[in-house]
Amino acid sequence: AQSVTQLDSHVSVSEGTPVLLRCNYSSSYSPSLFWYVQHPNKGLQLLLKYTSAATLVKGINGFEAEFKKSETSFHLTKPSAHMSDAAEYFCVVSDGTSGTYKYIFGTGTRLKVLA
Amino acid sequence: KAGVTQTPRYLIKTRGQQVTLSCSPISGHRSVSWYQQTPGQGLQFLFEYFSETQRNKGNFPGRFSGRQFSNSRSEMNVSTLELGDSALYLCASSLAPDRPDTEAFFGQGTRLTVV
Repeated sequence: AQSVTQLDSHVSVSEGTPVLLRCNYSSSYSPSLFWYVQHPNKGLQLLLKYTSAATLVKGINGFEAEFKKSETSFHLTKPSAHMSDAAEYFCVVSDGTSGTYKYIFGTGTRLKVLA
Repeated sequence: KAGVTQTPRYLIKTRGQQVTLSCSPISGHRSVSWYQQTPGQGLQFLFEYFSETQRNKGNFPGRFSGRQFSNSRSEMNVSTLELGDSALYLCASSLAPDRPDTEAFFGQGTRLTVV
């Protein structure tokens, strides 16, 4: 079965410093992985997705993620945090074991950005 | 292009009642999925509809049901409400549910409170 594990439930960074949100996956085949962001009282917005075309994936708002098969990881990074990045972030794997695809979500990482 | 629209945004119901939530997908999208988000369980897949057919179902009791209309709009129904059904219910639409890299677009959700 497919699964993702987000290693940190909360991360705090100072504005202007790098962001690292960690995600490990478990998959019996080459996975499709996503990062979504959820701001308070808002729906989920796609940041980026990995679909085996390139291991380094660039997303919106300066975020990027690197797929590392040897480490089964798909960590999300951003060089410089902005106050508007404060939100909850979800790592997602697409699971097709039941014939059609559905999302399996990680437990989320709440990012706090300090002024 | 209008996004995914969920109505109502907020609901308060009493235990034992039933509730119907509505989701209008992005124009042209024929796949609609529903997810439940709670602090304890995170985001969990409820079911997916494509062309008026339920093609995938998560591990929820039969009190949770849904349907999809010919215009791709979807409704989900929860009968005999329990306190534990209090959650944010998110709807997502997508173009091609048979591809693992398909991006899902989420609505803002309906927050259901059961008292």
